[in-house]
Amino acid sequence: GEDVEQSLFLSVREGDSSVINCTYTDSSSTYLYWYKQEPGAGLQLLTYIFSNMDMKQDQRLTVLLNKKDKHLSLRIADTQTGDSAIYFCAEKSGAGSYQLTFGKGTKLSVIP
Amino acid sequence: DADVTQTPRNRITKTGKRIMLECSQTKGHDRMYWYRQDPGLGLRLIYYSFDVKDINKGEISDGYSVSRQAQAKFSLSLESAIPNQTALYFCATSGRSRDRAYNEQFFGPGTRLTVL
Repeated sequence: GEDVEQSLFLSVREGDSSVINCTYTDSSSTYLYWYKQEPGAGLQLLTYIFSNMDMKQDQRLTVLLNKKDKHLSLRIADTQTGDSAIYFCAEKSGAGSYQLTFGKGTKLSVIP
Repeated sequence: DADVTQTPRNRITKTGKRIMLECSQTKGHDRMYWYRQDPGLGLRLIYYSFDVKDINKGEISDGYSVSRQAQAKFSLSLESAIPNQTALYFCATSGRSRDRAYNEQFFGPGTRLTVL
């Protein structure tokens, strides 16, 4: 089956930029997503990018997509302690696909 | 997201017991999903439903069953719970929107289930 890989942990200092990386195997991915999970809560969609885009920016968040290398990244500028959470990369294949394939999640720890 | 609610939020049960987890949504979405989350394994799809009459198995449906009682309600049952079903369970919904089709899934807060 298709696979989505992420590193499990990332630690950054408050005010620095965080970059969370993700690789996927499905060449027919149409949409790629970043979800955030805060402790004790469900997943919240942060942003998504269509596969024909290279970059998407939304306030402090920048998503970069390298479709050739099947590599997705999420950059958080000026990381704050409130950004501490688990970040999941997910991909959806095909126009009619229902299913999201999630990575295992990257736990971001922000050091004050 | 308060529009998707799950009950109970926490449950401890014993091996062999039947357990039902419930999900309700007020978003008016037609599609609903059940996932389980295990540490270090991400989310895996158990069952999904495109409408009241449409139920489909996901990646890991063995040992689970579901019921779509109404468009707004989707429950997950463990007929005879076993310890390796100890996990965090999430319900999610998605609906057609003008610019996003069914692209975004909205998640409930989760149910933490422990099977002893």
